[in-house]
Amino acid sequence: EAGVTQSPTHLIKTRGQQATLRCSPISGHTSVYWYQQALGLGLQFLLWYDEGEERNRGNFPPRFSGRQFPNYSSELNVNALELEDSALYLCASSPCEAGREQYFGPGTRLTVT
Amino acid sequence: AQSVTQLDSQVPVFEEAPVELRCNYSSSVSVYLFWYVQYPNQGLQLLLKYLSGSTLVKGINGFEAEFNKSQTSFHLRKPSVHISDTAEYFCAVTRTTGGYQKVTFGTGTKLQVIP
Repeated sequence: EAGVTQSPTHLIKTRGQQATLRCSPISGHTSVYWYQQALGLGLQFLLWYDEGEERNRGNFPPRFSGRQFPNYSSELNVNALELEDSALYLCASSPCEAGREQYFGPGTRLTVT
Repeated sequence: AQSVTQLDSQVPVFEEAPVELRCNYSSSVSVYLFWYVQYPNQGLQLLLKYLSGSTLVKGINGFEAEFNKSQTSFHLRKPSVHISDTAEYFCAVTRTTGGYQKVTFGTGTKLQVIP
């Protein structure tokens, strides 16, 4: 069974540009979560999608957005990039049952210069 | 409100010594509890989970954790660590209320195993 995949592995952008990160969940998982892991700041919850709908978002500005497609894959968009957006962005998926564990992808390293 | 506290940001321990990584949580409703491990330059991997039942939970790589409801703790233990256990460990809490799911991660504990 294939795990959660993320692309690209690395992404380098300049300030003000837009970044698009992609995630494919494990087959059969309907929930996708996005996290930001910046140096020294731990794992910060960004967004949760389930069945194509945004269910919850963390304390991030609106320039962080995303969507979930009918095949449950997901995209995270970050507009008007700022230097402090440089981080590892992790995607995780879980089955639809309540409280089930999350399966993480390897992450996308976003560097904003 | 729901929160997770990992009091120790770094824990150095000698190889083959026992280790305990502490996790305390606060929540007004029932929760599910997890420990994840993150090796350098990788995503997180589930170590173990507590959903219900026995309060002592065994996970992969010889780790175990005990759910203590009265102390709202879920400490992770291993009787004898190996160099390969050097990683960052995250405690997480999930609660579901009326279909609304909230996941909270702790800030992580870096375990450094010293040869």
